[in-house]
Amino acid sequence: DAKTTQPPSMDCAEGRAANLPCNHSTISGNEYVYWYRQIHSQGPQYIIHGLKNNETNEMASLIITEDRKSSTLILPHATLRDTAVYYCIVRVMGVGTGANNLFFGTGTRLTVIP
Amino acid sequence: EPEVTQTPSHQVTQMGQEVILRCVPISNHLYFYWYRQILGQKVEFLVSFYNNEISEKSEIFDDQFSVERPDGSNFTLKIRSTKLEDSAMYFCASAGDRHSGNQPQHFGDGTRLSIL
Repeated sequence: DAKTTQPPSMDCAEGRAANLPCNHSTISGNEYVYWYRQIHSQGPQYIIHGLKNNETNEMASLIITEDRKSSTLILPHATLRDTAVYYCIVRVMGVGTGANNLFFGTGTRLTVIP
Repeated sequence: EPEVTQTPSHQVTQMGQEVILRCVPISNHLYFYWYRQILGQKVEFLVSFYNNEISEKSEIFDDQFSVERPDGSNFTLKIRSTKLEDSAMYFCASAGDRHSGNQPQHFGDGTRLSIL
């Protein structure tokens, strides 16, 4: 699996957009970019994923560069509840494969400041 | 929204004892996983399970560990003879309500296992 690099920590003012970067320069053509977050000691929470197109859902937007070597997770209006560790994970997802296990790094600790 | 549920939330066990951690995955999901997180460390993959058999396991998942789907709803992780270093949060996850890839895993809130 491609390795990802994320800044260890970031701060964001409440109500502002939080932009979390991730580098994955060795990503392969069939690898997806997944984002999860972990609030305190809760289980990881799925946020969004994408292959090459930008994606948006009710939680966030994912912007993937054209060369796919980096991506940015955008939380449009950060709230105090968004304080968490955010993980960028690159993983092959295949038809019928039962594994597709996730390998978590150390992520980015986002602190939303009042 | 459907969710993965895990019981108990906290399990305290004497070293050397057997422990079973229980998970109810999201209904109709086909793929099941266990992960663990030692306090202050990364989330680590343990094992994946599909079609009633293990798909893949990590080096952590040695002969002391086993998984089972005893009925249509539960997915269990058994540690046969616990060691102090087994103390961790154990997370269950499930994915895939159809036979195709590209489906995210959804995690439970974990069981905190404390070995004394």
